[in-house]
Amino acid sequence: DSGVTQTPKHLITATGQRVTLRCSPRSGDLSVYWYQQSLDQGLQFLIQYYNGEERAKGNILERFSAQQFPDLHSELNLSSLELGDSALYFCASSAAGISGNTIYFGEGSWLTVV
Amino acid sequence: GQSLEQPSEVTAVEGAIVQINCTYQTSGFYGLSWYQQHDGGAPTFLSYNALDGLEETGRFSSFLSRSDSYGYLLLQELQMKDSASYFCASNQAGTALIFGKGTTLSVSS
Repeated sequence: DSGVTQTPKHLITATGQRVTLRCSPRSGDLSVYWYQQSLDQGLQFLIQYYNGEERAKGNILERFSAQQFPDLHSELNLSSLELGDSALYFCASSAAGISGNTIYFGEGSWLTVV
Repeated sequence: GQSLEQPSEVTAVEGAIVQINCTYQTSGFYGLSWYQQHDGGAPTFLSYNALDGLEETGRFSSFLSRSDSYGYLLLQELQMKDSASYFCASNQAGTALIFGKGTTLSVSS
């Protein structure tokens, strides 16, 4: 158990809908990262927050947004969902800000868009 | 741009040694990390190289050559439980860990 908690573990939704994925980082970690893993794909970096502020942005679509709250938990909002958004979404956390070499992943949220 | 290349699949038998290579093209490179992921599970940290040379952690070792933009993960005394996907990832300025597409290791008896 990495100490990173993600909810929900699984969800199925229809195209065009909006979902919110939630992440609680390890106790004391200030950085939260979101990654997307599609079938046969690697881990695509989406976005990072550090102590409530956006720190780095990767291949995140405009339909997606995220935020980190004062209690350091984070949410990833996915809207106008398309079939291709079906993937495993991971949250990870670390104590460090940018370029932390060790990040701890949650168990992921499986999103299926039908 | 930022990219890491690693083989998509590697097969080996129990007790053998396998090396998973990773080449990278990044700017602002700090170091190379390796993560293991069992089917559908959370990736877990294995090792990190910031300096050239070999880092050993039990049956696993990792190597980095900055001049060659190259690294590898060496797994010794392979066990069935080592069957998993292995990702190299680069630490660099201005962004979070960037991962390769992963190498699926299949260990047979």
